[in-house]
Amino acid sequence: GIQVEQSPPDLILQEGANSTLRCNFSDSVNNLQWFHQNPWGQLINLFYIPSGTKQNGRLSATTVATERYSLLYISSSQTTDSGVYFCAVPMDSSYKLIFGSGTRLLVRP
Amino acid sequence: NAGVTQTPKFQVLKTGQSMTLQCAQDMNHNSMYWYRQDPGMGLRLIYYSASEGTTDKGEVPNGYNVSRLNKREFSLRLESAAPSQTSVYFCASSGTAVPTEAFFGQGTRLTVV
Repeated sequence: GIQVEQSPPDLILQEGANSTLRCNFSDSVNNLQWFHQNPWGQLINLFYIPSGTKQNGRLSATTVATERYSLLYISSSQTTDSGVYFCAVPMDSSYKLIFGSGTRLLVRP
Repeated sequence: NAGVTQTPKFQVLKTGQSMTLQCAQDMNHNSMYWYRQDPGMGLRLIYYSASEGTTDKGEVPNGYNVSRLNKREFSLRLESAAPSQTSVYFCASSGTAVPTEAFFGQGTRLTVV
């Protein structure tokens, strides 16, 4: 089945810094989502981005489906950005999402 | 608009006890899912239901059963809880038009002692 790898596994930033998180996947997909799991455990939808580029405030994402990767950019990071960032893609061309192992982000004040 | 609602939020069980986790969505989605998340890991699919009346196994179905009660509700049952089932459980829903976006409930933290 499809494999999803995220990097880096851990990231520590000083408030105000920028960062790039990466998601690689082993097969072609028609769906990719980025989620933020906050310190209280809630999964928050960030982007639904099967291809192209989207922006939402300080966050943006780019998926290059032909090269099987997606990038999540966080600019001017804030302490509230801390948590775990997951990307997820469909399993076996279905609606079932398979998750990467996540990038754990800590933003220090 | 509540989205996906799970109950309970927390539960402690003794080994061998049974319980049912409830999930309801109000987005008129056809597909619903149950995932579990173990410490430091991503989410793994337990069971899913592509539409009302259908259910199928995911990556880690052993020890669980599900019921798609109607289009809104999808429950997960642990018949005889084991310590290995200590986890955080998430319910999700999505439409069936491809491509589609999934939305998650707030999670149920289950501890089996």
